[in-house]
Amino acid sequence: DAGVIQSPRHEVTEMGQEVTLRCKPISGHDYLFWYRQTMMRGLELLIYFNNNVPIDDSGMPEDRFSAKMPNASFSTLKIQPSEPRDSAVYFCASSLVGGVEQYFGPGTRLTVT
Amino acid sequence: EDKVVQSPLSLVVHEGDTVTLNCSYEVTNFRSLLWYKQEKKAPTFLFMLTSSGIEKKSGRLSSILDKKELFSILNITATQTGDSAVYLCAVEASGTYKYIFGTGTRLKVLA
Repeated sequence: DAGVIQSPRHEVTEMGQEVTLRCKPISGHDYLFWYRQTMMRGLELLIYFNNNVPIDDSGMPEDRFSAKMPNASFSTLKIQPSEPRDSAVYFCASSLVGGVEQYFGPGTRLTVT
Repeated sequence: EDKVVQSPLSLVVHEGDTVTLNCSYEVTNFRSLLWYKQEKKAPTFLFMLTSSGIEKKSGRLSSILDKKELFSILNITATQTGDSAVYLCAVEASGTYKYIFGTGTRLKVLA
């Protein structure tokens, strides 16, 4: 298996632009998680899905952030409009079931200028 | 509020040394604790702990959980330069499958 796949790996955009991050989980994994990692706050859970349904989005910082999972093999995290404080590494992770180890993708490094 | 605290924040040792990394937590309805190693990219899974007093081992790495005192330790013996990384501890909060991560311990092993 190729593992969790994320794209793009790097994104540089200007403040106010829309940003879309993409994730393909490991096949057969029922849980998908979106995290954001910064030096100041470490790794923070933004939202997670079970069987394509969003279960908990309490970590989404504000309405500018949205996430979807239209099918079992694809999820997106969208930021509109983007702001400099959104600059971070965004990780997608998946797990076979809940409460077990999660497998992380390589991350997307987002820079908003 | 659920929280996970790791110590020390950073550590520099020489090859061959033994290190102990600490993770303390306060969460509601604890179910599991995970350790990850993060080098330059994504965190990679090391251990999952659910029961007190049972040591998990993998080569030179081992970990144990104390649910009474609410902490876990990760030991690395005979450290190598390849052990240099950030080690993350995560605790499942409130039986929700949400893991709260500590800020990590940055370990640097000098040759």
